[in-house]
Amino acid sequence: GAVVSQHPSWVICKSGTSVKIECRSLDFQATTMFWYRQFPKQSLMLMATSNEGSKATYEQGVEKDKFLINHASLTLSTLTVTSAHPEDSSFYICSAWGTGVLSYGYTFGSGTRLTVV
Amino acid sequence: QKEVEQNSGPLSVPEGAIASLNCTYSDRGSQSFFWYRQYSGKSPELIMFIYSNGDKEDGRFTAQLNKASQYVSLLIRDSQPSDSATYLCAVISQGGSEKLVFGKGTKLTVNP
Repeated sequence: GAVVSQHPSWVICKSGTSVKIECRSLDFQATTMFWYRQFPKQSLMLMATSNEGSKATYEQGVEKDKFLINHASLTLSTLTVTSAHPEDSSFYICSAWGTGVLSYGYTFGSGTRLTVV
Repeated sequence: QKEVEQNSGPLSVPEGAIASLNCTYSDRGSQSFFWYRQYSGKSPELIMFIYSNGDKEDGRFTAQLNKASQYVSLLIRDSQPSDSATYLCAVISQGGSEKLVFGKGTKLTVNP
């Protein structure tokens, strides 16, 4: 089946630093990648959608200069949280849609728990 | 504004019972419907998807879709304690790489 590998699974960083999260599709081509954020006891909130080779489309209220998304290849997308602050602490999850998968196309990564101290 | 509504619960059922989870959506143009299960601290995992009106069965799970009433449900038969999780309903408007719109989820607890 389709697999999306997300790294790191957890990260602790100091306030003001930047953190990069990677999502790789291992056995299919991820033409579209979705990035979500989930705060405790809340549902997934879509942050942005990126298509390979194009600029990401951000949801309303999401700062594109703070959450940098790169989707340069069909197997890799990255989310960089720049100048992180404690309020950015959350669970970040990617989801890939692509071709060549047996099941219907949305596959989630395992998530990254970000804690900013 | 496309919305997906779920009863947040918690829903509590005894082991072996049928758990019924419901979801309504506002966009009549919605075409594809998904149920995900999310354990605490983990990412969602797909249980089922359904496109057509009616029932779709997969093992102990049955998804039911009624587009006229704009609701989709998930039945879990012979519920097990391991089914205890939050169940997320998700909808997309068209096929292809449209974004999923998630409900807030229903927390299910299956009591031994």
